[in-house]
Amino acid sequence: DGGITQSPKYLFRKEGQNVTLSCEQNLNHDAMYWYRQDPGQGLRLIYYSQIVNDFQKGDIAEGYSVSREKKESFPLTVTSAQKNPTAFYLCASSGTGKAEQYFGPGTRLTVT
Amino acid sequence: GQQLNQSPQSMFIQEGEDVSMNCTSSSIFNTWLWYKQDPGEGPVLLIALYKAGELTSNGRLTAQFGITRKDSFLNISASIPSDVGIYFCAGRGGGTASKLTFGTGTRLQVTL
Repeated sequence: DGGITQSPKYLFRKEGQNVTLSCEQNLNHDAMYWYRQDPGQGLRLIYYSQIVNDFQKGDIAEGYSVSREKKESFPLTVTSAQKNPTAFYLCASSGTGKAEQYFGPGTRLTVT
Repeated sequence: GQQLNQSPQSMFIQEGEDVSMNCTSSSIFNTWLWYKQDPGEGPVLLIALYKAGELTSNGRLTAQFGITRKDSFLNISASIPSDVGIYFCAGRGGGTASKLTFGTGTRLQVTL
């Protein structure tokens, strides 16, 4: 089955620790994205990558980092510099030049 | 970054009723998308619209691309309990590569 997987579904960390969220897709999509969603809010773009070994900052990139070493994978690291890291994180992908983005199931990160 | 305005923010309706919601932008878009998100899950793509004036259906859902290219509408006919969730619109302009701008969401609750 083709799709996007995110793991884990729930993640708990102590303040001051970096944490990496996984996103894998087997849709053969070139573009991948990371969004943050806070309760009752819409989606805000953190980082996106249109091709392997290249990525751009979105609207709220501060305190986050990404890598895109493989087409299938786009991990997101939430660093200790992110002031309010507790949120629901969504990964998405799209085909070359296509507007339609397909989302993974999300990872809920709680930092205490 | 910009977020699109969705209206209404939330609505309670009775099973069997029709539902209408809309999304407006200050910018022109070339593509409009509608997604549904269930609690704790990633958004699922419902309908994609590519031309001004276009009307597209997906089962009981019908969406329209506004002729000004600055708005879009989603109608759900004969609502059922599983229609409960948050509906997001998203738009893409011509000069923004593959980035989407998302709406603030319409929360739909259906009572029996």
